[in-house]
Amino acid sequence: AQSVTQLDSHVSVSEGTPVLLRCNYSSSYSPSLFWYVQHPNKGLQLLLKYTSAATLVKGINGFEAEFKKSETSFHLTKPSAHMSDAAEYFCVVSVGNQGGKLIFGQGTELSVKP
Amino acid sequence: GAVVSQHPSRVICKSGTSVKIECRSLDFQATTMFWYRQFPKQSLMLMATSNEGSKATYEQGVEKDKFLINHASLTLSTLTVTSAHPEDSSFYICSARDWGRDTEAFFGQGTRLTVV
Repeated sequence: AQSVTQLDSHVSVSEGTPVLLRCNYSSSYSPSLFWYVQHPNKGLQLLLKYTSAATLVKGINGFEAEFKKSETSFHLTKPSAHMSDAAEYFCVVSVGNQGGKLIFGQGTELSVKP
Repeated sequence: GAVVSQHPSRVICKSGTSVKIECRSLDFQATTMFWYRQFPKQSLMLMATSNEGSKATYEQGVEKDKFLINHASLTLSTLTVTSAHPEDSSFYICSARDWGRDTEAFFGQGTRLTVV
Protein backbone atom coordinates (compact mmCIF):
# COMPACT_ATOMS: atom_id res chain seq x y z
CA ALA A 1 0.00 0.00 0.00
CA GLN A 2 1.10 3.53 -0.69
CA SER A 3 1.68 6.04 2.07
CA VAL A 4 3.44 9.31 2.68
CA THR A 5 4.97 10.65 5.88
CA GLN A 6 5.96 14.26 6.30
CA LEU A 7 8.42 14.33 9.14
CA ASP A 8 7.78 17.86 10.36
CA SER A 9 4.38 19.38 11.04
CA HIS A 10 5.87 22.86 11.27
CA VAL A 11 9.09 24.41 9.98
CA SER A 12 10.20 27.94 10.70
CA VAL A 13 13.02 29.68 8.80
CA SER A 14 14.31 33.20 8.40
CA GLU A 15 13.94 35.00 5.12
CA GLY A 16 16.90 34.34 2.87
CA THR A 17 17.88 31.06 4.54
CA PRO A 18 17.46 27.58 3.04
CA VAL A 19 14.26 25.58 3.30
CA LEU A 20 14.07 21.82 3.83
CA LEU A 21 10.73 20.02 4.06
CA ARG A 22 11.08 16.30 4.57
CA CYS A 23 8.98 13.54 3.06
CA ASN A 24 9.29 9.76 3.10
CA TYR A 25 7.10 7.48 1.04
CA SER A 26 6.08 3.86 0.88
CA SER A 27 4.91 2.37 -2.37
CA SER A 28 4.47 -1.08 -3.86
CA TYR A 29 4.84 0.37 -7.34
CA SER A 30 7.25 2.74 -8.96
CA PRO A 31 5.72 5.88 -7.48
CA SER A 32 4.70 9.20 -8.89
CA LEU A 33 5.41 11.84 -6.26
CA PHE A 34 4.30 15.43 -6.01
CA TRP A 35 4.68 18.48 -3.82
CA TYR A 36 1.71 20.82 -3.58
CA VAL A 37 1.44 24.17 -1.81
CA GLN A 38 -1.71 25.55 -0.24
CA HIS A 39 -2.17 29.11 0.90
CA PRO A 40 -4.89 29.79 3.52
CA ASN A 41 -8.41 28.97 2.30
CA LYS A 42 -7.13 28.33 -1.19
CA GLY A 43 -6.89 25.35 -3.47
CA LEU A 44 -3.68 23.50 -4.17
CA GLN A 45 -0.93 24.48 -6.55
CA LEU A 46 1.54 21.99 -7.94
CA LEU A 47 5.15 22.85 -7.13
CA LEU A 48 6.82 19.90 -8.82
CA LYS A 49 6.43 16.24 -9.67
CA TYR A 50 8.52 13.12 -10.07
CA THR A 51 7.39 10.51 -12.57
CA SER A 52 10.40 8.19 -13.03
CA ALA A 53 12.46 10.57 -15.14
CA ALA A 54 15.28 12.64 -13.64
CA THR A 55 15.68 12.11 -9.91
CA LEU A 56 16.36 15.79 -9.25
CA VAL A 57 13.20 17.65 -10.07
CA LYS A 58 13.01 21.40 -10.42
CA GLY A 59 9.74 23.16 -9.80
CA ILE A 60 8.27 26.60 -9.67
CA ASN A 61 9.38 29.48 -7.44
CA GLY A 62 12.88 28.07 -7.00
CA PHE A 63 11.82 24.83 -5.30
CA GLU A 64 13.34 21.48 -6.11
CA ALA A 65 13.17 17.94 -4.78
CA GLU A 66 15.33 14.86 -5.10
CA PHE A 67 13.91 11.36 -5.42
CA LYS A 68 16.10 8.92 -3.47
CA LYS A 69 14.90 5.37 -3.89
CA SER A 70 17.42 3.93 -1.44
CA GLU A 71 16.12 6.24 1.28
CA THR A 72 12.50 6.27 0.08
CA SER A 73 12.62 10.04 0.38
CA PHE A 74 11.46 13.01 -1.65
CA HIS A 75 12.53 16.06 0.32
CA LEU A 76 11.64 19.56 -0.86
CA THR A 77 14.28 22.28 -0.78
CA LYS A 78 14.77 25.90 -1.69
CA PRO A 79 18.07 27.78 -1.36
CA SER A 80 16.61 31.02 -0.07
CA ALA A 81 13.22 31.46 1.58
CA HIS A 82 10.95 34.35 0.70
CA MET A 83 8.14 35.72 2.85
CA SER A 84 5.63 34.65 0.21
CA ASP A 85 6.69 31.02 0.69
CA ALA A 86 4.84 30.87 4.00
CA ALA A 87 2.09 28.30 3.42
CA GLU A 88 1.14 24.67 3.94
CA TYR A 89 3.04 22.10 1.89
CA PHE A 90 1.86 18.61 1.05
CA CYS A 91 3.88 15.67 -0.18
CA VAL A 92 1.67 13.40 -2.27
CA VAL A 93 1.99 9.95 -3.81
CA SER A 94 -0.12 8.71 -6.67
CA VAL A 95 -1.70 5.29 -6.33
CA GLY A 96 -0.49 3.85 -9.60
CA ASN A 97 -3.25 1.40 -10.34
CA GLN A 98 -6.28 3.35 -9.18
CA GLY A 99 -6.85 5.93 -11.86
CA GLY A 100 -5.18 8.91 -10.32
CA LYS A 101 -6.04 8.49 -6.66
CA LEU A 102 -3.73 10.56 -4.50
CA ILE A 103 -2.53 9.94 -0.97
CA PHE A 104 -1.59 13.08 0.95
CA GLY A 105 0.97 13.51 3.66
CA GLN A 106 -0.03 15.24 6.84
CA GLY A 107 1.28 18.58 5.66
CA THR A 108 4.07 20.86 6.83
CA GLU A 109 3.37 24.44 7.74
CA LEU A 110 6.22 26.68 6.67
CA SER A 111 6.69 29.97 8.51
CA VAL A 112 9.14 32.57 7.25
CA LYS A 113 10.45 35.18 9.66
CA PRO A 114 11.65 38.57 8.47
CA GLY B 1 -2.09 23.37 -17.29
CA ALA B 2 -5.64 22.14 -17.26
CA VAL B 3 -8.30 24.05 -15.34
CA VAL B 4 -10.72 22.68 -12.78
CA SER B 5 -13.40 25.05 -11.56
CA GLN B 6 -15.26 24.51 -8.32
CA HIS B 7 -18.39 26.37 -7.28
CA PRO B 8 -19.34 27.87 -4.90
CA SER B 9 -16.18 28.95 -3.11
CA ARG B 10 -18.07 29.62 0.10
CA VAL B 11 -21.49 28.56 1.33
CA ILE B 12 -23.32 28.90 4.60
CA CYS B 13 -26.39 26.77 5.17
CA LYS B 14 -28.75 25.89 7.98
CA SER B 15 -28.70 22.54 9.72
CA GLY B 16 -30.90 20.03 7.98
CA THR B 17 -30.64 21.53 4.53
CA SER B 18 -28.70 20.16 1.57
CA VAL B 19 -25.87 21.81 -0.30
CA LYS B 20 -24.59 21.02 -3.78
CA ILE B 21 -20.99 21.67 -4.84
CA GLU B 22 -19.99 21.56 -8.49
CA CYS B 23 -16.67 20.58 -9.98
CA ARG B 24 -16.03 21.23 -13.66
CA SER B 25 -13.12 20.43 -15.92
CA LEU B 26 -13.05 23.44 -18.22
CA ASP B 27 -10.71 22.41 -21.00
CA PHE B 28 -10.52 18.64 -20.83
CA GLN B 29 -12.68 15.62 -20.30
CA ALA B 30 -12.42 13.86 -16.98
CA THR B 31 -13.78 10.34 -16.71
CA THR B 32 -12.67 10.32 -13.10
CA MET B 33 -12.80 13.05 -10.50
CA PHE B 34 -11.94 12.93 -6.84
CA TRP B 35 -13.51 14.60 -3.83
CA TYR B 36 -11.46 15.49 -0.76
CA ARG B 37 -12.29 16.94 2.62
CA GLN B 38 -9.96 19.03 4.70
CA PHE B 39 -10.44 19.96 8.33
CA PRO B 40 -8.66 23.05 9.71
CA LYS B 41 -4.93 22.57 10.04
CA GLN B 42 -5.19 19.05 8.69
CA SER B 43 -4.39 17.21 5.50
CA LEU B 44 -6.72 16.29 2.66
CA MET B 45 -8.65 13.10 3.07
CA LEU B 46 -10.04 11.38 0.02
CA MET B 47 -13.79 10.94 0.35
CA ALA B 48 -14.72 9.31 -2.93
CA THR B 49 -13.82 8.69 -6.52
CA SER B 50 -16.40 9.95 -8.97
CA ASN B 51 -16.77 7.90 -12.14
CA GLU B 52 -18.54 9.27 -15.19
CA GLY B 53 -21.69 7.31 -15.92
CA SER B 54 -21.43 4.99 -12.96
CA LYS B 55 -21.58 4.93 -9.19
CA ALA B 56 -18.99 6.66 -7.11
CA THR B 57 -16.50 4.68 -5.08
CA TYR B 58 -16.46 5.80 -1.46
CA GLU B 59 -13.60 5.52 0.97
CA GLN B 60 -14.06 3.61 4.16
CA GLY B 61 -15.99 5.56 6.74
CA VAL B 62 -17.61 7.98 4.30
CA GLU B 63 -21.41 7.85 4.32
CA LYS B 64 -22.58 7.48 0.74
CA ASP B 65 -26.14 8.49 1.61
CA LYS B 66 -24.93 11.69 3.18
CA PHE B 67 -22.43 12.68 0.53
CA LEU B 68 -24.14 12.09 -2.79
CA ILE B 69 -21.91 12.19 -5.85
CA ASN B 70 -23.12 12.47 -9.39
CA HIS B 71 -20.87 12.45 -12.45
CA ALA B 72 -23.34 12.80 -15.26
CA SER B 73 -21.00 14.16 -17.91
CA LEU B 74 -17.31 14.11 -18.77
CA THR B 75 -16.84 17.64 -17.46
CA LEU B 76 -19.02 17.84 -14.37
CA SER B 77 -19.15 16.10 -11.02
CA THR B 78 -21.32 17.23 -8.14
CA LEU B 79 -21.12 16.57 -4.42
CA THR B 80 -24.31 17.05 -2.43
CA VAL B 81 -24.09 17.19 1.33
CA THR B 82 -27.54 16.06 2.47
CA SER B 83 -29.17 17.01 5.76
CA ALA B 84 -26.11 18.99 6.71
CA HIS B 85 -25.01 19.29 10.32
CA PRO B 86 -22.40 21.56 11.92
CA GLU B 87 -19.89 18.70 11.98
CA ASP B 88 -20.05 18.67 8.17
CA SER B 89 -18.50 22.13 8.14
CA SER B 90 -15.24 21.76 6.30
CA PHE B 91 -13.24 22.63 3.20
CA TYR B 92 -14.15 20.42 0.26
CA ILE B 93 -11.85 20.14 -2.76
CA CYS B 94 -12.24 18.28 -6.02
CA SER B 95 -9.56 17.19 -8.44
CA ALA B 96 -9.34 15.68 -11.89
CA ARG B 97 -6.63 14.37 -14.14
CA ASP B 98 -6.28 15.00 -17.83
CA TRP B 99 -4.87 11.67 -18.83
CA GLY B 100 -4.37 12.79 -22.39
CA ARG B 101 -1.97 15.57 -21.44
CA ASP B 102 -0.29 15.06 -18.14
CA THR B 103 0.20 12.93 -15.10
CA GLU B 104 -0.62 15.55 -12.52
CA ALA B 105 -3.94 16.19 -10.86
CA PHE B 106 -5.55 19.60 -11.11
CA PHE B 107 -7.49 20.91 -8.18
CA GLY B 108 -10.50 23.11 -7.87
CA GLN B 109 -10.32 26.20 -5.71
CA GLY B 110 -12.17 24.48 -2.88
CA THR B 111 -15.49 25.16 -1.17
CA ARG B 112 -15.69 26.36 2.41
CA LEU B 113 -18.91 24.93 3.84
CA THR B 114 -20.25 26.30 7.11
CA VAL B 115 -23.34 24.72 8.61
CA VAL B 116 -25.08 26.84 11.26
